[in-house]
Amino acid sequence: AQKITQTQPGMFVQEKEAVTLDCTYDTSDQSYGLFWYKQPSSGEMIFLIYQGSYDEQNATEGRYSLNFQKARKSANLVISASQLGDSAMYFCAMRETYSGAGSYQLTFGKGTKLSVIP
Amino acid sequence: IAGITQAPTSQILAAGRRMTLRCTQDMRHNAMYWYRQDLGLGLRLIHYSNTAGTTGKGEVPDGYSVSRANTDDFPLTLASAVPSQTSVYFCASSLGASGTHEQFFGPGTRLTVL
Repeated sequence: AQKITQTQPGMFVQEKEAVTLDCTYDTSDQSYGLFWYKQPSSGEMIFLIYQGSYDEQNATEGRYSLNFQKARKSANLVISASQLGDSAMYFCAMRETYSGAGSYQLTFGKGTKLSVIP
Repeated sequence: IAGITQAPTSQILAAGRRMTLRCTQDMRHNAMYWYRQDLGLGLRLIHYSNTAGTTGKGEVPDGYSVSRANTDDFPLTLASAVPSQTSVYFCASSLGASGTHEQFFGPGTRLTVL
């Protein structure tokens, strides 16, 4: 079973509108972290936002916010006031604690391609 | 150098050849990672290193090896390349192997194995 599921292969949004990119996750850990990364067509991976499983408030970073619903195991990314430069692939990722491994590895979803329309 | 650098930027390689992808970071990060990105599959972890001198296997380690002789460098070696290793390879690092530390990514190496 996938640990990170992004159900929207592609999304379109009008410039200046808000858009929500979906992410659901599967873990039995109590302590975990959720990340969103942006990958423009140039290929680099850009960190956007982080949410810890014990954080009581939803994370926000500028125009990005994370709608964290722990009981539903969802961590949706909300981009407000979309800009043309927001067109990119967006990846949701989860960090779990691997017992005995001592490494906090990121598991990535397959991504959502967002296209912002002028 | 600022951040993470990877070399080469791209490479075409004959099957059976040995290849080392280089990764260097100047942020004094303890943890480093190698991922491969394939269309429709997202990023998958190949190997990781929590600190200099230690390495571990990720999700798809077969056919790859790594070493971490010092903090800055984390080379990835394909001992005998096969076409299924055609991919884009990303090196990443984080301040620590735990906590809220995000991973910073290099620009990637596009590898084609023929």
